[in-house]
Amino acid sequence: NAGVMQNPRHLVRRRGQEARLRCSPMKGHSHVYWYRQLPEEGLKFMVYLQKENIIDESGMPKERFSAEFPKEGPSILRIQQVVRGDSAAYFCASSVDRHQNSDTQYFGPGTRLTVL
Amino acid sequence: RKEVEQDPGPFNVPEGATVAFNCTYSNSASQSFFWYRQDCRKEPKLLMSVYSSGNEDGRFTAQLNRASQYISLLIRDSKLSDSATYLCVVLNTGNQFYFGTGTSLTVIP
Repeated sequence: NAGVMQNPRHLVRRRGQEARLRCSPMKGHSHVYWYRQLPEEGLKFMVYLQKENIIDESGMPKERFSAEFPKEGPSILRIQQVVRGDSAAYFCASSVDRHQNSDTQYFGPGTRLTVL
Repeated sequence: RKEVEQDPGPFNVPEGATVAFNCTYSNSASQSFFWYRQDCRKEPKLLMSVYSSGNEDGRFTAQLNRASQYISLLIRDSKLSDSATYLCVVLNTGNQFYFGTGTSLTVIP
């Protein structure tokens, strides 16, 4: 059972470009969470999604950021017109259905975004 | 008030020492509690869940105090490999996980 997969692991973009980060949850997991971690800081919640639904995006910046988790395929975190302040590690986590006993989050290896 | 608060440390302890971390949470309706470990530039990894009755896994013991709304992690006989940042995590009724900013531990030879 493969763990949470994220790609790319490292992404370099110039200011103004778009960044697309992908996350494939663990098999059997239907909940996906995205977090951002700035250097020397803690994890900051961004968005929580289930298949085809955004459940909570309270941590997502109002502009330039969007997330989706389509019926088929990975979850995508999209950052448009990137700025230097977007440079961070972006972690994805997944968990099983809330109605089951296990609700632990498992993390992917992260995508390290560097904006030049 | 933050959902989860931790002392950031750093804690510097000699090998073999016992060290304890506390974490407080603000939402009394919080349902599940966890300790994660994060090594430098790596993803967080689940260390252990925290149960109401307290639980132990080898050298690690986790406790939950609902009345005072805090959880604790005790590490006995510290090893060099225990050096990491320890994250307190709380799951609320909205199925959102809240992370503390982490407590840094360095075990010194």
